Amino acid sequence: NAGVTQTPKFQVLKTGQSMTLQCAQDMNHNSMYWYRQDPGMGLRLIYYSASEGTTDKGEVPNGYNVSRLNKREFSLRLESAAPSQTSVYFCASSDGGGRYNEQFFGPGTRLTVL
Amino acid sequence: AQSVTQLGSHVSVSEGALVLLRCNYSSSVPPYLFWYVQYPNQGLQLLLKYTTGATLVKGINGFEAEFKKSETSFHLTKPSAHMSDAAEYFCAVMDSSYKLIFGSGTRLLVRP
Repeated sequence: NAGVTQTPKFQVLKTGQSMTLQCAQDMNHNSMYWYRQDPGMGLRLIYYSASEGTTDKGEVPNGYNVSRLNKREFSLRLESAAPSQTSVYFCASSDGGGRYNEQFFGPGTRLTVL
Repeated sequence: AQSVTQLGSHVSVSEGALVLLRCNYSSSVPPYLFWYVQYPNQGLQLLLKYTTGATLVKGINGFEAEFKKSETSFHLTKPSAHMSDAAEYFCAVMDSSYKLIFGSGTRLLVRP
C-alpha cells in the first residue's frame, strides 16, 4: 500500500511555463484535495474533488486547474506559472462521507518559479 | 466561518520537559478538530482527532489533546518531550463542507 503518491518531488519553472502535478492514491478513497503550504500560513486548500467526476474551488484556486482523471488520480495544472506560485504542494485523500474522516497526505512537491 | 489560531510559531523545550502547543478555534457548527504533525521534508500525519464524546483525546507517540468548549480550545500536550518530537504541528478544524481549515503551524524544537 503506497498510500498517496505525488510526482515530481521537485520542480523548477520559469515564469510563464506550464506544468502538471500528479497525484494518485491506492486506498479507494472518494475525496481528494490539493493544498499549498507557505511559511507561516499553514496549508491552504486550492481545489478538491468530493467524488469522481466532481471538482470544486477551495480557498486559493486562482492560477490553477484540476482534473479528477478517475477515482485514483487527481492532477493539478499551472497554465502559466508565476513566482507567487512558489510553494510546497500537497495532495491528500479521504474516504469522504463524514466530517471526522481523516485525510491522508502525500509527501509533497516543492515547486520554485523563477 | 471556521478558523484556527495557533499561538506561537516556534516553541522550544528541553528533552524530558512538558510539551504544550496551543490551538483555539472558531466554528459555527459543532467542531471536529484535528492535530497533524509534519516531520522535515515529509507530508502531514494525523496525531489525533476529536469528533464527539470524550473530551480528552489520546493520539500516537504519547500526545493527547483536550477539547474545551467553554474556552474554544484544543491544546496539544505531551508529558515528556523526546528529540524525535521535533517537527511542525498543525491544528485543523473541519468545516460544514467537510474541508479542513488549518492553523499556521507551530514548530517544536527539542533541546538536548
